[in-house]
Amino acid sequence: DVKVTQSSRYLVKRTGEKVFLECVQDMDHENMFWYRQDPGLGLRLIYFSYDVKMKEKGDIPEGYSVSREKKERFSLILESASTNQTSMYLCASSTLRQGSYEQYFGPGTRLTVT
Amino acid sequence: ILNVEQSPQSLHVQEGDSTNFTCSFPSSNFYALHWYRWETAKSPEALFVMTLNGDEKKKGRISATLNTKEGYSYLYIKGSQPEDSATYLCASNTGTASKLTFGTGTRLQVTL
Repeated sequence: DVKVTQSSRYLVKRTGEKVFLECVQDMDHENMFWYRQDPGLGLRLIYFSYDVKMKEKGDIPEGYSVSREKKERFSLILESASTNQTSMYLCASSTLRQGSYEQYFGPGTRLTVT
Repeated sequence: ILNVEQSPQSLHVQEGDSTNFTCSFPSSNFYALHWYRWETAKSPEALFVMTLNGDEKKKGRISATLNTKEGYSYLYIKGSQPEDSATYLCASNTGTASKLTFGTGTRLQVTL
């Protein structure tokens, strides 16, 4: 079974703090993704990476950066957390299998910025 | 259609009812359509991935159809059970094959 883990289930941070969200997958997938999920807005893509040290902006990259130094690990960084970054953050990974890129998700991190 | 759209936004049915949801997606540059089930406090899990026009997939009481020419997919649940309560997400690969665009989901609640 594919396993995607995230470093924390719940996190509370103060405005202005630097926040690191870590994601690790154990299936050698080349693609990794960070989403945030807000009520009524669905899953919105923040950043994705298709290889080590490669990254591409998603739909809402402002206020975030990412790091992928190793294939299995994809980190999301909030340089200076703000209250509008309070959200559920989901990591996912994928590879081409049977003609499609099915994504496998982590359990999510619920971040509250006060 | 520029985005992936799902309807209804939420649904409340009785145990034993059959139900269906709709997903609309851009039909140009289509690559694949995904359905996920997301139960509370769990990770989204893939139900189906469909690529061919006219494709139909089934898993137990749940099935899905795909029309790539007109850009829609239906998800059907036959004889709903309380354990079917979840948010059902559809997502489309268009353009970039590995990147998914998600709809906002249909939240299903099944009561006894």
